[in-house]
Amino acid sequence: LAKTTQPISMDSYEGQEVNITCSHNNIATNDYITWYQQFPSQGPRFIIQGYKTKVTNEVASLFIPADRKSSTLSLPRVSLSDTAVYYCLVKDSGYALNFGKGTSLLVTP
Amino acid sequence: GAVVSQHPSWVICKSGTSVKIECRSLDFQATTMFWYRQFPKQSLMLMATSNEGSKATYEQGVEKDKFLINHASLTLSTLTVTSAHPEDSSFYICSASTRDPNRAQYFGPGTRLTVT
Repeated sequence: LAKTTQPISMDSYEGQEVNITCSHNNIATNDYITWYQQFPSQGPRFIIQGYKTKVTNEVASLFIPADRKSSTLSLPRVSLSDTAVYYCLVKDSGYALNFGKGTSLLVTP
Repeated sequence: GAVVSQHPSWVICKSGTSVKIECRSLDFQATTMFWYRQFPKQSLMLMATSNEGSKATYEQGVEKDKFLINHASLTLSTLTVTSAHPEDSSFYICSASTRDPNRAQYFGPGTRLTVT
């Protein structure tokens, strides 16, 4: 399983854009990059998944450079309810996810 | 996104008893289901991988006779904690996946187990 590295914590004010970068130097050809959000005492919630370039959905964007050794999750205009732990994972479909410590995001007024 | 449910959402049991937790994929057929455990302030730890119709594969250090996993259909997997002890108290989370490379893995809401 490819290992990922991401900041332990980040702080932001409401309304700002937050970018969380994750490095995954050993990503394999078949691996996808997936981001999850987790609130206390809840299961992780799928945010976005991508393979290369850029992916955008209604809640976030995912930027993946050509070498795929890193990725950046972009959360536009965060609110207090975006305070959570964000996990970056790389996986081959159907296989278990190796959760690291994630990034604890704190959004304040 | 896909929906995965767990039941119960929380359970309290006495030491020495067994507890069964169900995990269901509600709107897709899950060829593979995973069981994770999460202790306070820690990340998720994989316990076992369960493929429909076959025996589960357990991670190192997880006792297969204590944590019984059954994956009898493409929409249901169960985890039974046998002879539970206080140290088994934790947050148990399942996830479901298919072999479709475009498909993400979806998680259930989790089950809080407290053993007294």
